[in-house]
Amino acid sequence: SQTIHQWPATLVQPVGSPLSLECTVEGTSNPNLYWYRQAAGRGLQLLFYSVGIGQISSEVPQNLSASRPQDRQFILSSKKLLLSDSGFYLCAWSLMGATNVNTEAFFGQGTRLTVV
Amino acid sequence: AQSVTQLDSHVSVSEGTPVLLRCNYSSSYSPSLFWYVQHPNKGLQLLLKYTSAATLVKGINGFEAEFKKSETSFHLTKPSAHMSDAAEYFCVVILRSNDYKLSFGAGTTVTVRA
Repeated sequence: SQTIHQWPATLVQPVGSPLSLECTVEGTSNPNLYWYRQAAGRGLQLLFYSVGIGQISSEVPQNLSASRPQDRQFILSSKKLLLSDSGFYLCAWSLMGATNVNTEAFFGQGTRLTVV
Repeated sequence: AQSVTQLDSHVSVSEGTPVLLRCNYSSSYSPSLFWYVQHPNKGLQLLLKYTSAATLVKGINGFEAEFKKSETSFHLTKPSAHMSDAAEYFCVVILRSNDYKLSFGAGTTVTVRA
């Protein structure tokens, strides 16, 4: 069966420090991978989307970057965190179905990031 | 333009009474539609999905949703709310016009009164 691992679960970082959140998927190949951010009281905002190794689409201009060094590994990074980067970050994966449409997405348990 | 709209930001029901969460989408084509539930500080769990098969879709935990193309709606219902249903619910649509990425509604927070 497929599983998705995301860590750490919680993180408190000072302003200006770097960030690295990691997400790995097991039990599937060639997944589409996503990073979402959920600010307090708001919906999910798609940050990055990847259809393959080294292929990253950025949805919004921001202080963050993403990388996909391996097929089932997706990393969210920042060189210098801002207070506004605080939020709940979710990694997800999906597959392209037979009709070239994505299947449903499966989500990790999330990382609560607080920038102080 | 908004691809998916959840009409209620907050719904409050009494335990044992029906729950209705409303969702409308914008698309000229039949999309793939999903409902997810999120409990506090947790990831999202798939409740049910519509992918052009039966228009009435049954999901987990007693939830179901009906796809109505004429109304471009995909409302989520449950006949009898349980305390454990208190959570946030997201309607999600996949559209060809959005490169088949998932588009999320703003979410509906459900509270259940004893």
